[in-house]
Amino acid sequence: EVQLVESGGGLVQPGRSMKLSCAASGFTFSDYYMAWVRQAPKKGLEWVASISYEGSSTYYGDSVKGRFTISRDNAKSTLYLQMNSLRSEDTATYYCARRDVYYGLGYFDFWGPGTMVTVSS
Amino acid sequence: DIQMTQSPTSLAASVGESVTITCLASEDIYGSLVWYQQKPGKSPQLLIYGATILEDGIPSRFSGSGSDTQYSLKINSLQPEDFASYYCQNGLSTPYTFGAGTKLELK
Repeated sequence: EVQLVESGGGLVQPGRSMKLSCAASGFTFSDYYMAWVRQAPKKGLEWVASISYEGSSTYYGDSVKGRFTISRDNAKSTLYLQMNSLRSEDTATYYCARRDVYYGLGYFDFWGPGTMVTVSS
Repeated sequence: DIQMTQSPTSLAASVGESVTITCLASEDIYGSLVWYQQKPGKSPQLLIYGATILEDGIPSRFSGSGSDTQYSLKINSLQPEDFASYYCQNGLSTPYTFGAGTKLELK
């Protein structure tokens, strides 16, 4: 059974940093691109970042580019999101998601339960 | 970036009815359209990818259609568990943009 479990969320002050983790199990982690998707309270979904199989390629949304870093440790089947210079608008539930592909189409077939990040003084 | 415009924003229906949600892409996404369902307090669940392909385990009352820039999700014979929010997603390329969502409520 595929499982994704995020951790590391909480309350953080504006301008500070936070690192999220996502522990994966039930599949061969290195066979999949992985991603972070967030959802601000009462709002829609926003893709944050994606990372390739071995981590050599990373992709970011404009709102986090230069501040967030996605990485992975395939030996530990763990995905990370390093968030720096946090802003109030980064307040959201952060989901770890497995990206599958179908003839070049990217979609998220499994999601973790999410971890809440609140940026506030 | 490809913009995804979803409509309606909210929709009220009764059990047993059929509903349709639409998603308009700002440019041709060549069928690379994905639909998710999200229930309150839960993570999204994949329903349909490639505009028409039903994910394993998803009931056949859900169906997707469309091409180029216009896509639809149809739910036939609504069940109580179908009242949730629905999101479309551009799967053609990053950034993977989502529609703003449609909240399906019980009338």
